Amino acid sequence: DQQVKQNSPSLSVQEGRISILNCDYTNSMFDYFLWYKKYPAEGPTFLISISSIKDKNEDGRFTVFLNKSAKHLSLHIVPSQPGDSAVYFCAAYSFGNQFYFGTGTSLTVIP
Amino acid sequence: DAMVIQNPRYQVTQFGKPVTLSCSQTLNHNVMYWYQQKSSQAPKLLFHYYDKDFNNEADTPDNFQSRRPNTSFCFLDIRSPGLGDTAMYLCATSRSSSGANVLTFGAGSRLTVL
Repeated sequence: DQQVKQNSPSLSVQEGRISILNCDYTNSMFDYFLWYKKYPAEGPTFLISISSIKDKNEDGRFTVFLNKSAKHLSLHIVPSQPGDSAVYFCAAYSFGNQFYFGTGTSLTVIP
Repeated sequence: DAMVIQNPRYQVTQFGKPVTLSCSQTLNHNVMYWYQQKSSQAPKLLFHYYDKDFNNEADTPDNFQSRRPNTSFCFLDIRSPGLGDTAMYLCATSRSSSGANVLTFGAGSRLTVL
């Protein structure tokens, strides 16, 4: 039962352009959504989050958009840099319950 | 720096030979989690501790056990590893399990069962 889905296993983007990573979810009770970034041989690190009461959260080059009616969120990285090359995981949870993760999208930023 | 440390980073074991993975944290977080992540799959929660309270996921095999002797340490014991237990095991911590929350992960322990 995959409650959080990332349908694109990989994405390649030119340096300086926008990277858009997508995530869909099925549980309308989720309160909070997060993006994690993972480099090889390291654990996932927290990148940015958004509450279900908002539709946008921005932190520097990273912006997360939430569309509750479509049960969809996306992470925008502008401008993309080679150091952004990593696997990005989408996660969601409802307060007091466990986190659910997507399968990840491997982003490659080409110099 | 406050962090989550997992040992060993890499472990190779034989089918049926018990394995213990360890996790320590300096964040003083009250919740500690163990996730299993197989190749190209999402991390899957095995169990978590809220302070000393142990919470097992319904589909976690009995083969997997955990101990939390104190706030800082948590162990994952695999009593009789099978080939299907080859995976990355991620330890994570959080301040509480309610409200806005962020998991802090360790670097993971990659287990290979031969």
